[in-house]
Amino acid sequence: DQQVKQNSPSLSVQEGRISILNCDYTNSMFDYFLWYKKYPAEGPTFLISISSIKDKNEDGRFTVFLNKSAKHLSLHIVPSQPGDSAVYFCAASAYNNDMRFGAGTRLTVKP
Amino acid sequence: NAGVTQTPKFRVLKTGQSMTLLCAQDMNHEYMYWYRQDPGMGLRLIHYSVGEGTTAKGEVPDGYNVSRLKKQNFLLGLESAAPSQTSVYFCASRVDRTHLYGYTFGSGTRLTVV
Repeated sequence: DQQVKQNSPSLSVQEGRISILNCDYTNSMFDYFLWYKKYPAEGPTFLISISSIKDKNEDGRFTVFLNKSAKHLSLHIVPSQPGDSAVYFCAASAYNNDMRFGAGTRLTVKP
Repeated sequence: NAGVTQTPKFRVLKTGQSMTLLCAQDMNHEYMYWYRQDPGMGLRLIHYSVGEGTTAKGEVPDGYNVSRLKKQNFLLGLESAAPSQTSVYFCASRVDRTHLYGYTFGSGTRLTVV
């Protein structure tokens, strides 16, 4: 069962515009949510996280929003840059060490 | 500062052969993980360890064994490789009990079983 879902396999945006990546989850026990970025032939790199007691967390150009009632989170990148082109994974975990990942969304930022 | 190092980076096995993937971290992290990544599936947890001498099963443990004899090393073994185990394997580690700071991943091992 896929408890974390990223329904958009790919997203293309113009440089300077906003990128919005979406993620849905089914397990109400999840208390931490994270986004990872992955370049080809490299491992995923931690980007930003949010705990379930918050609804927003911001780090520079990256903002994660959490809507617990809808079991939905999103990652906003503003402004988007060509170097942001990568695969983005949404992940979620409960306190018991088990982190679940979505299938990933490939973001392409066009110059 | 090497972080998480995985060896080998690439390997081709014949069905039925065995091999061990090595993960080493130099950050003194307690928690270590083995994931596999398959197209359209994201990363799925195979096994994990919460400290030296401990191991536990993840989502997809069948066909794999692990050992954590030293804190810095986490080994993933395939006793009898099958084509379904063709995948990219990632090792990861983290320092604390919460997930707020994420994992540090290695660069992966691409395994093909023919």
